[in-house]
Amino acid sequence: TQLLEQSPQFLSIQEGENLTVYCNSSSVFSSLQWYRQEPGEGPVLLVTVVTGGEVKKLKRLTFQFGDARKDSSLHITAAQPGDTGLYLCAGRSNDYKLSFGAGTTVTVRA
Amino acid sequence: EAQVTQNPRYLITVTGKKLTVTCSQNMNHEYMSWYRQDPGLGLRQIYYSMNVEVTDKGDVPEGYKVSRKEKRNFPLILESPSPNQTSLYFCASGRGSGYTEAFFGQGTRLTVV
Repeated sequence: TQLLEQSPQFLSIQEGENLTVYCNSSSVFSSLQWYRQEPGEGPVLLVTVVTGGEVKKLKRLTFQFGDARKDSSLHITAAQPGDTGLYLCAGRSNDYKLSFGAGTTVTVRA
Repeated sequence: EAQVTQNPRYLITVTGKKLTVTCSQNMNHEYMSWYRQDPGLGLRQIYYSMNVEVTDKGDVPEGYKVSRKEKRNFPLILESPSPNQTSLYFCASGRGSGYTEAFFGQGTRLTVV
C-alpha cells in the first residue's frame, strides 16, 4: 500500500491544454517534493513545499501544498511536449525518510 | 558540474554472485541514499546515510548492505543477489536538514538470473 496516492496514473493531453496531478495521503508531512523523471534518467527535483497552504510557481508549473500538509497538486498551464514525463511526489515525515508516490505518466501530444 | 555518478548503468548477473554498485557525488553532501524503482510501486528507500559512518535502514533493506567510509561515496552491496532484486536502482544525495534527495544518479538497471 502506497503511503502517497497519485492520480491519475496516466494522463495524455494535447499541446496547449492544462493538466493537474494530485498527490494524497492520510499522513501529515513536514515537506513535500515533486520530481520529473524521463525514461532512462533519474528523477529531477522540481520543487519542495514546506508550509501548509503554500503555493509555488515555476514558469508554467504551479505547486500547492494542502492546508493540513497531507496533500499536494501540480498544475501545468499550456502544456508542451517537453513536459512529457513521469511526475513523482514524495513526502517527508519527521525523520529523514522520504516516501514516494507511484507516479503519474504525462504525455503531451504535439 | 554537480552530479551523482552510479556505476555500472547496466548489470546482468547470476543468483548468489556478490556485486557492488558504486555511487559517488561531487557536491560535498552529507546525506546519501539508495532506492529501488519497480513498476507500480514507485521508488522505495533501501538505506540512507546522514554522514560518514552513519547509516540506517530504509523501507526495504533486506538483502542489501551499504557503507559510508568517505563523504563522497556510498556503495550498495548485494552479498547474494536473488531474482527478486532485479530492479532499477537509484542513488541520491543532498545537503541534509530537509534538502535530502536533491540530486539523483542516472540509475543502474540490475537483472539477476
